[in-house]
This record gives sequence, C-alpha cells and structure tokens, in this order.
Amino acid sequence: NAGVTQTPKFRVLKTGQSMTLLCAQDMNHEYMYWYRQDPGMGLRLIHYSVGEGTTAKGEVPDGYNVSRLKKQNFLLGLESAAPSQTSVYFCASRTSGTGETQYFGPGTRLLVL
Amino acid sequence: DQQVKQNSPSLSVQEGRISILNCDYTNSMFDYFLWYKKYPAEGPTFLISISSIKDKNEDGRFTVFLNKSAKHLSLHIVPSQPGDSAVYFCAARSFSGSARQLTFGSGTQLTVLP
Repeated sequence: NAGVTQTPKFRVLKTGQSMTLLCAQDMNHEYMYWYRQDPGMGLRLIHYSVGEGTTAKGEVPDGYNVSRLKKQNFLLGLESAAPSQTSVYFCASRTSGTGETQYFGPGTRLLVL
Repeated sequence: DQQVKQNSPSLSVQEGRISILNCDYTNSMFDYFLWYKKYPAEGPTFLISISSIKDKNEDGRFTVFLNKSAKHLSLHIVPSQPGDSAVYFCAARSFSGSARQLTFGSGTQLTVLP
C-alpha cells in the first residue's frame, strides 16, 4: 500500500496563476483533509471531506476550493495564487470509525512569487 | 487565537536522558489528544494518544500525561535516542457539527544529542 500520496512535491507559481494539488489514498478511508503548515503556526485545516461528493470548510478556507469526485482522491485548487499562499500543504485521511488517527501524505511545497 | 499551544519551539536533550515536551490548550471541549512526530520532508506520523477520561497512556518509551484541570498535556520519552530527533506536534479533537476535527499546536523541535 502506498498510503497517502501527494502530487506535485514542489511547485513555483507566479501571483495570479492557478493550480491543483492532488491527494490520493489507497486505504479506503472516508475522511480526507487538507492542511497548510507555516512557520510557527502548526498545521491549519483548509478544507475537509467526510465522504465522496461532500466537502466542508476548515479554519482557513479563503482562496482555496476542493473537490472529492472519487473516494480515493481529494483535490485542492488555487484559482488565483497569492504570495500569502506560500506554504507546505499536507493531505491526510482517516477511517470513519472511532479512531482519530489521521494518516498524512509527504507534503507539497508551494512557492508563490 | 491559538487553542493549542506549544510554547517551546525547540528542546535539546542528551541521548539516554528523558525528553519532556509540553502542550497547553484553552478549549475545555477538547476530549481527545494526540501526538504526532514529523521528520524533515515527510508528513506527520501518529505517535500516541490519550482520551480525556484518562490521565496517562504509555506505549514503550513514550508516555503521555493529561492534566485536565490545568489544561495541560505532556509527552515523555525515556530513554531518548538520536532517532527521536524530529518535530513533535500535539493535537486536540473537537466536533464541528457532525464532523471531528483536529487542532494542532505549532510544534517543538526535539534534538537528541549523541
């Protein structure tokens, strides 16, 4: 099992450009999450999904959109990138059972110039 | 306003000694707490957790203590090993509607010196 994978690993964007980050999991997990990690801020929740076709906003959703068309994939979109979106983005997934353990991908480092 | 705080950005410990990482929280509705470990260029990995109905949970060299009245939890690593050098995040569970979410602290960089 690959677990949680993220594509791409690193990307440089110019202000105003758009891009999509892909997260894929092969553990048949219901719940998926997108976080961003900034220095001194820990991980902050952007959006999450409790199942295929459903999404919800987290703590810092502005400037991002998400889609969960397939259970195994969770996409994070930036329609018009801003320098404030320079960050490391982590995707995570977990089962819908009572366990709280989230399994994280390796991260995507995004630099917006 | 950070609801989960890790006030020590870094900690250095000699190999074989005890490492104590601290975490404070403000939201009394948090009912489950986790510690994650993160190596450079990797995603966080789950380490140990504790329910709010307990005050201690142990797993090998790792023990988590919870003091609900003080809204404080700590992670003890005994004995510390160089491979434990990583960033440690504490996280707390809350409910938003029907969904469960984790709120993370800012992390503590642990360095175990040989």
